[in-house]
Amino acid sequence: GQSLEQPSEVTAVEGAIVQINCTYQTSGFYGLSWYQQHDGGAPTFLSYNALDGLEETGRFSSFLSRSDSYGYLLLQELQMKDSASYFCAVRAGGYQKVTFGTGTKLQVIP
Amino acid sequence: DTEVTQTPKHLVMGMTNKKSLKCEQHMGHRAMYWYKQKAKKPPELMFVYSYEKLSINESVPSRFSPECPNSSLLNLHLHALQPEDSALYLCASSQETSSYNEQFFGPGTRLTVL
Repeated sequence: GQSLEQPSEVTAVEGAIVQINCTYQTSGFYGLSWYQQHDGGAPTFLSYNALDGLEETGRFSSFLSRSDSYGYLLLQELQMKDSASYFCAVRAGGYQKVTFGTGTKLQVIP
Repeated sequence: DTEVTQTPKHLVMGMTNKKSLKCEQHMGHRAMYWYKQKAKKPPELMFVYSYEKLSINESVPSRFSPECPNSSLLNLHLHALQPEDSALYLCASSQETSSYNEQFFGPGTRLTVL
């Protein structure tokens, strides 16, 4: 099976930068995605890495190292609305098979 | 239209009831998914339909029965559920060949089994 580990909670100050890490153990890896979920809401897609390196989308960047089975999500210029849970997710063991990580609850404080 | 809709938003049912959850998308996506999410836990994949055919069943108990009547609709039929099945049920869709691999999620159905 697949397993993905993330820190359970992170607290950061408004305007700062925060990094959320994800380590995974999988077979047949296709790529790593990141999703944001506000309390009571649905997950929304943030980014996807299939190859090693950094992908940047506005204030969010995501990094993947396939050799280290590791990725991270970088959030810059934090805003209060960024307070949410963040999940990494792998497509592995079959292209359609998606497994979510344990999730990181980010709290942004003034 | 980049929206996945789910009905109902909330559902309370007894262990002997039969009910159905519905999901709809009009983005032309050919892959559709059912997930179960318990409080403070990640979504867990239950089923995947690809081109209206069931392609993945993650060893889900038979009291959950999925159906894909056409490329836009996905149902989840519920029968003889247990209280531990109470959770948020999320539907999602994606392009089969999207390089961005983005899944679009619906708002979910919050199910309570008494």
